[in-house]
Amino acid sequence: KAGVTQTPRYLIKTRGQQVTLSCSPISGHRSVSWYQQTPGQGLQFLFEYFSETQRNKGNFPGRFSGRQFSNSRSEMNVSTLELGDSALYLCASSLASGGLEQYFGPGTRLTVT
Amino acid sequence: AQSVTQLGSHVSVSEGALVLLRCNYSSSVPPYLFWYVQYPNQGLQLLLKYTTGATLVKGINGFEAEFKKSETSFHLTKPSAHMSDAAEYFCAVTTATGNQFYFGTGTSLTVIP
Repeated sequence: KAGVTQTPRYLIKTRGQQVTLSCSPISGHRSVSWYQQTPGQGLQFLFEYFSETQRNKGNFPGRFSGRQFSNSRSEMNVSTLELGDSALYLCASSLASGGLEQYFGPGTRLTVT
Repeated sequence: AQSVTQLGSHVSVSEGALVLLRCNYSSSVPPYLFWYVQYPNQGLQLLLKYTTGATLVKGINGFEAEFKKSETSFHLTKPSAHMSDAAEYFCAVTTATGNQFYFGTGTSLTVIP
């Protein structure tokens, strides 16, 4: 069974631009969670989507948004990029919302210059 | 709310020596506890988890952890370190009714030959 895939793996953007990251969960998994990982803050929860609905949201500004499609694939968007948005963005999939078995993708490394 | 504290952001051990990575949690309700490992340029991989039942949990690659409610701890151990154990380790907590994971800031393990 294929694992969680994230595209692109690396991205360089300029301040003020926007970016869209994609996550394809494991087949059959309906929940996708997004995390931001930085050296100073560690892993911080962004949001979780289940059945195309946002189920939970972390403490991030409205510039961070996401969505989930009917095939469970998820995208997250960051608008008006800031230097501090440079991070590794990880998504994790699980069978159901609040699932204890989370499977992580390799992440997308975003660099904002 | 829940939180996790990992004592020691960097731990070095000699090959063959005991590995001990510390994790303390805070939770007002019974916690579910996890250890994840992250190798460079990869996502997180689940090592082991505690939900209910036996407090000594065995995971992959020879790791184990013991849930100690009285000490609010979930330390990760391995009797004999291998070079391949060098990685970043994360402790995480959630609950039965919670819908997000809270991660510690991670411990980088170095294994000295």
